Amino acid sequence: AQTVTQSQPEMSVQEAETVTLSCTYDTSESDYYLFWYKQPPSRQMILVIRQEAYKQQNATENRFSVNFQKAAKSFSLKISDSQLGDAAMYFCAYISRGGSEKLVFGKGTKLTVNP
Amino acid sequence: DVKVTQSSRYLVKRTGEKVFLECVQDMDHENMFWYRQDPGLGLRLIYFSYDVKMKEKGDIPEGYSVSREKKERFSLILESASTNQTSMYLCASRTPGGRANYGYTFGSGTRLTVV
Repeated sequence: AQTVTQSQPEMSVQEAETVTLSCTYDTSESDYYLFWYKQPPSRQMILVIRQEAYKQQNATENRFSVNFQKAAKSFSLKISDSQLGDAAMYFCAYISRGGSEKLVFGKGTKLTVNP
Repeated sequence: DVKVTQSSRYLVKRTGEKVFLECVQDMDHENMFWYRQDPGLGLRLIYFSYDVKMKEKGDIPEGYSVSREKKERFSLILESASTNQTSMYLCASRTPGGRANYGYTFGSGTRLTVV
């Protein structure tokens, strides 16, 4: 079964600094997607960034970028110029395109942004 | 954008009650999902549905059932609520494969307390 591991239950960063959240996954599939979701205190799960396994280029969305290392099965999220509004739970998630295509989540990393 | 609406933000129910959690999506998606979120455990899949009247068990289906009579509505049912079902429940809808915006959209969650 596919698994997603986030080894950092909590992280903190100073406002305007850069922070990297780690994620590793285990799969034998070749066609899959990886996601980072943000869940602020409002509880709404918001998609931050999406990476397709076949694409070698790392995805970027404004201040958010990923380091996708397919051979190492690693998918870290870098947040640049951190803002107070970035404080939230961050979940790494995996979905295989074959079969039922269920989204599998890591246990999350709580990010605190200090002013 | 896809909108996923969960009818209740907070619910308090008594042990033994039959509880219905409702979820509606507005994009004619075939695939819908119910997750349970607990601190330190991340999100765990309870049930999912890939079409009207079609359902499959997820990782933790015990004590739950689901109903999908119409494509836009996916209901989670707690047949006899117990205190260990106190949790946050998240509904999601999945964009079909092959689209540039492939992925899940989540509702804002229902926090259920069973007393």
